[in-house]
Amino acid sequence: EIVMTQSPDTLSLSPGERASLSCRASQNVNRNVAWYQQRPGQAPRLLIHHASNRATGVPARFSGGGSGTEFTLTIASLQSEDFAVYYCQQFHNWPPWTFGQGTKVEIK
Amino acid sequence: QARLVESGGDVVQPGKSLRLSCVGSGFTFSESGLHWVRQTPGKGLEWLAVISNDGNSRDYRDSVKGRFTISRDNLKNTLYLQMTNLRPDDTAMYFCAKDPARYNYGHLPLWGQGTLVTVSS
Repeated sequence: EIVMTQSPDTLSLSPGERASLSCRASQNVNRNVAWYQQRPGQAPRLLIHHASNRATGVPARFSGGGSGTEFTLTIASLQSEDFAVYYCQQFHNWPPWTFGQGTKVEIK
Repeated sequence: QARLVESGGDVVQPGKSLRLSCVGSGFTFSESGLHWVRQTPGKGLEWLAVISNDGNSRDYRDSVKGRFTISRDNLKNTLYLQMTNLRPDDTAMYFCAKDPARYNYGHLPLWGQGTLVTVSS
């Protein structure tokens, strides 16, 4: 099973600041990584697939990068609605598909 | 607008069974692979199972293989998860999710709102 490890666990930032989230895979997953946003009481929402492709309707301030074992999600300028938990997921080697433990982006 | 709505979550005793349902609308249900994913505070998001659009292919994570069964009824636009011999560590919010392909491309562009299963004596 591929282990996805996210860092940091919590990111404390102010609105308007840039957020950079990291995700490391325990083995090569090429570019088969997705990122999800989860707000309190809601289901996860797909933001990015195949490492850098924004899902339908996702604002351009969200961008993804990386390949192999190292991946990043960047939020260019944090809006109030962006304070949430973010998860990475690998869909390269299954079963099972696996998720990271999450990074919480909180208001500083 | 595409939507998935789960139901069937409940409080059940260890060793009992429970069936979850997930109704899809706003998309061609019979053309989509579908997944179940659960979430707990301790283990986070955990992928459980996937079924192909026609129901002929399925797969599971090892920890639920033999206890959980994924199935679907395309005439009713409904996905199911039959859970047997439930354990306290099955306590979680259970989500259904749509695959972008007919089986298992892997990323999940549409999720339901979840249904809560609590396993406790």
